Amino acid sequence: AQTVTQSQPEMSVQEAETVTLSCTYDTSESDYYLFWYKQPPSRQMILVIRQEAYKQQNATENRFSVNFQKAAKSFSLKISDSQLGDAAMYFCAYRGLNWGNKLVFGAGTILRVKS
Amino acid sequence: DTGVSQNPRHKITKRGQNVTFRCDPISEHNRLYWYRQTLGQGPEFLTYFQNEAQLEKSRLLSDRFSAERPKGSFSTLEIQRTEQGDSAMYLCASREGASEAFFGQGTRLTVV
Repeated sequence: AQTVTQSQPEMSVQEAETVTLSCTYDTSESDYYLFWYKQPPSRQMILVIRQEAYKQQNATENRFSVNFQKAAKSFSLKISDSQLGDAAMYFCAYRGLNWGNKLVFGAGTILRVKS
Repeated sequence: DTGVSQNPRHKITKRGQNVTFRCDPISEHNRLYWYRQTLGQGPEFLTYFQNEAQLEKSRLLSDRFSAERPKGSFSTLEIQRTEQGDSAMYLCASREGASEAFFGQGTRLTVV
């Protein structure tokens, strides 16, 4: 079974600084998707960034970028120029091409942004 | 269409009572998922529909849980004879094709 591990329960970053959230996963599949979702307190989960495993180029969305290392099964999220609105729980998630394409989530990392 | 809608947002029920939650997905999305999220944890998959067909159920979905999507549009999740261990956030998500999943705001269930 696929598993996703987020080893950092909580991270803090100063406003305008850069922070990296870690994620590792385990799978025997060669093709899959990886996601980072953001869940602000009492609000719905929203997609931050998505990576297709067959693409070697790391995905980037404005201040958010990933470091995808397929061989190491690592998928970290870098947030540049952190803003107060970035404070949230961040989940790393895996989606295979089978199993109904459901998402497998990590336990999450709470990101605190200090002003 | 304003996204995935879930009702109610909060539900407090006494142990042993039945509860039903509703999810209205984004209208053109044929795939609908239910997840359960306990405090401080990531969501866990419960069940999946493609149109009206329930194609997969997690072993987390005990016999007390049932889900339906009768016309391939909205879905309901019913929990019978609720237990305190059922207290959680129940999330619904929908998607189409290879797109990402869009989540609702969830229904927070508290069993007292």
